[in-house]
Amino acid sequence: AQRVTQPEKLLSVFKGAPVELKCNYSYSGSPELFWYVQYSRQRLQLLLRHISRESIKGFTADLNKGETSFHLKKPFAQEEDSAMYYCALSLSGGYNKLIFGAGTRLAVHP
Amino acid sequence: GAVVSQHPSWVICKSGTSVKIECRSLDFQATTMFWYRQFPKQSLMLMATSNEGSKATYEQGVEKDKFLINHASLTLSTLTVTSAHPEDSSFYICSALRGDTQYFGPGTRLTVL
Repeated sequence: AQRVTQPEKLLSVFKGAPVELKCNYSYSGSPELFWYVQYSRQRLQLLLRHISRESIKGFTADLNKGETSFHLKKPFAQEEDSAMYYCALSLSGGYNKLIFGAGTRLAVHP
Repeated sequence: GAVVSQHPSWVICKSGTSVKIECRSLDFQATTMFWYRQFPKQSLMLMATSNEGSKATYEQGVEKDKFLINHASLTLSTLTVTSAHPEDSSFYICSALRGDTQYFGPGTRLTVL
């Protein structure tokens, strides 16, 4: 069965510290992974996707098929990064359905 | 670009009544929209895929007769919760597909008394 696991409900760091939000997936097909972010009182928005291989707001994520992981990283956290982060798996076959992880709340303290 | 709206943003209704939630893509056409449900402190659970001009595809365990979906135009999908009960109280979120990316609405909080 398809599943996305985010083991940490809360990640609390100080400003300037490195951040790694973990995401593991289970899927027999060809995975397409996303990170979505939800800032306080705002809608869910796409942060980045693995096929783009880009850095958004200083965040990067690399798909590791061997470890079935797609961890989100940022070398120096900022207070404005505080938000809820969701890892999502898109099923292949043109369905574009997203399977979301439980989410990790990132709290960046001054 | 790629803005999705939902209406209403919140609604309170009595048990046994029906509630309709609208999802609109404001600046693009979307042949496919999705409806999610989110319980407090939990993740988004996909309920159904809404396809313009055809029947919605429901996820396993979602009652299609209870959650009626209509996607009558390329910019509007509606979710009607029929004969709502308190256990239907939740946060309902829609998304619209542009290309291969989903753009999300702000959500609708439904409270059934």
